[in-house]
Amino acid sequence: QKEVEQDPGPLSVPEGAIVSLNCTYSNSAFQYFMWYRQYSRKGPELLMYTYSSGNKEDGRFTAQVDKSSKYISLFIRDSQPSDSATYLCAMSARGSTLGRLYFGRGTQLTVWP
Amino acid sequence: KAGVTQTPRYLIKTRGQQVTLSCSPISGHRSVSWYQQTPGQGLQFLFEYFSETQRNKGNFPGRFSGRQFSNSRSEMNVSTLELGDSALYLCASSYQGANTGELFFGEGSRLTVL
Repeated sequence: QKEVEQDPGPLSVPEGAIVSLNCTYSNSAFQYFMWYRQYSRKGPELLMYTYSSGNKEDGRFTAQVDKSSKYISLFIRDSQPSDSATYLCAMSARGSTLGRLYFGRGTQLTVWP
Repeated sequence: KAGVTQTPRYLIKTRGQQVTLSCSPISGHRSVSWYQQTPGQGLQFLFEYFSETQRNKGNFPGRFSGRQFSNSRSEMNVSTLELGDSALYLCASSYQGANTGELFFGEGSRLTVL
C-alpha cells in the first residue's frame, strides 16, 4: 500500500462547477500538506500549503486537512477551463529534509466550457 | 528570475546504455531533489542534495546516482538502462531553511528507453 492514495480520475466537470479532490494517507508523522498543479508537459507548481490540521483558502481554492481521518481535500470553486490539469497531493513529515515529499498519483481534471 | 532548467528535455536511449541528466536550480537555492514520474507510480523520490552532499535517498537501485556541484547544479545518472526506466525525470530546487514544501520544479527530462 502506498503511503499516499489519490484517485487518478479522470474527472470531467462543466465550467462553474465545484470540484473536490481528495487524498488519504497512512503515515501519522505527516505534518505538512501540499497541493500541486501540473499542466501537460510542464513541471508541478505549488498551489496550496497547509501545516497540520485545518482549512486554508486562497481565492477560488480551499485546502482542508483532517489529521484524525488522515484525509486531505482541495476544493475549487467556480472552476474554469484553465483549471484543467493534473492535481497532485503531497506531504512531508516534521524533521524530514527539504526535498523529500510523498506524492499521490495525481487526479486529472478537465473543465469544459 | 530564471526557473529550474533541465537538459535535455527529450532523449531516446536503448537498453543497456547510460544517461546523464542535468539540472540548474533557481539562483540561491541549495537543495536539489530528483523525482521519477510515471503514469503507474506517479512521482517517486530519487534523491536530494544539499551543498554537494546527498541528504536523502529513495528506494531505487544503485544504477541511479547523482551528484551536486559547488554552484548547486546537479546531475543524475542512470546506468545499464532498462525499459522500465522510461519516465519523466523531474528536478526540483528549494530555498535553504524553509520546510514549506515549496519545491520549484523544472519541466523535466523525458527519457524513452527502447
